[in-house]
Amino acid sequence: EAGVTQFPSHSVIEKGQTVTLRCDPISGHDNLYWYRRVMGKEIKFLLHFVKESKQDESGMPNNRFLAERTGGTYSTLKVQPAELEDSGVYFCASSQGGRRTGELFFGEGSRLTVL
Amino acid sequence: AQSVAQPEDQVNVAEGNPLTVKCTYSVSGNPYLFWYVQYPNRGLQFLLKYITGDNLVKGSYGFEAEFNKSQTSFHLKKPSALVSDSALYFCAVRDGPGANNLFFGTGTRLTVIP
Repeated sequence: EAGVTQFPSHSVIEKGQTVTLRCDPISGHDNLYWYRRVMGKEIKFLLHFVKESKQDESGMPNNRFLAERTGGTYSTLKVQPAELEDSGVYFCASSQGGRRTGELFFGEGSRLTVL
Repeated sequence: AQSVAQPEDQVNVAEGNPLTVKCTYSVSGNPYLFWYVQYPNRGLQFLLKYITGDNLVKGSYGFEAEFNKSQTSFHLKKPSALVSDSALYFCAVRDGPGANNLFFGTGTRLTVIP
């Protein structure tokens, strides 16, 4: 069974440019999460989808970040325009629906470097 | 508010010695506690979790963790460290069954010295 996959693995862009990160969750997982880790800091929650609906987007830092999950399958996270402080590793995770005690399955992360 | 503290950025231990990676937490309800590991150039991998029941939880790769409610701690342990255990370890907490997401600590880098 394929795990959570993320693309690209690393993206280097200049301040003001746009980047779109993609996450393919494990097939059948209704819950999809985006997290971010800035260098040396904790892994911070960004948002949570249940199928195609945004369940919780309280962690989104500002309106430069836009997440979508059309059709309840893969998700994209767009940063437009990117700022220096957006640099970090963006993790996607998924879990089965309704299992609040279950662990999250994480992808390998997308490293974003904004110059 | 939920939070997790990993007081050590770096832990070094000799191969074959026991290891401990510390974690304390703060939640308003009953904690659901997790440990994840990140090997170089890999994603986060689930190690173990505490939901309820025995305070000593056993997980993958010979790791275990002890839930201590009075000290609000969930330290990760292994009796005999391997060089291959060298990685970044994250403790995480979910604030009871009603919570959707995990709150993570800042991570502890474990280095096992041959």
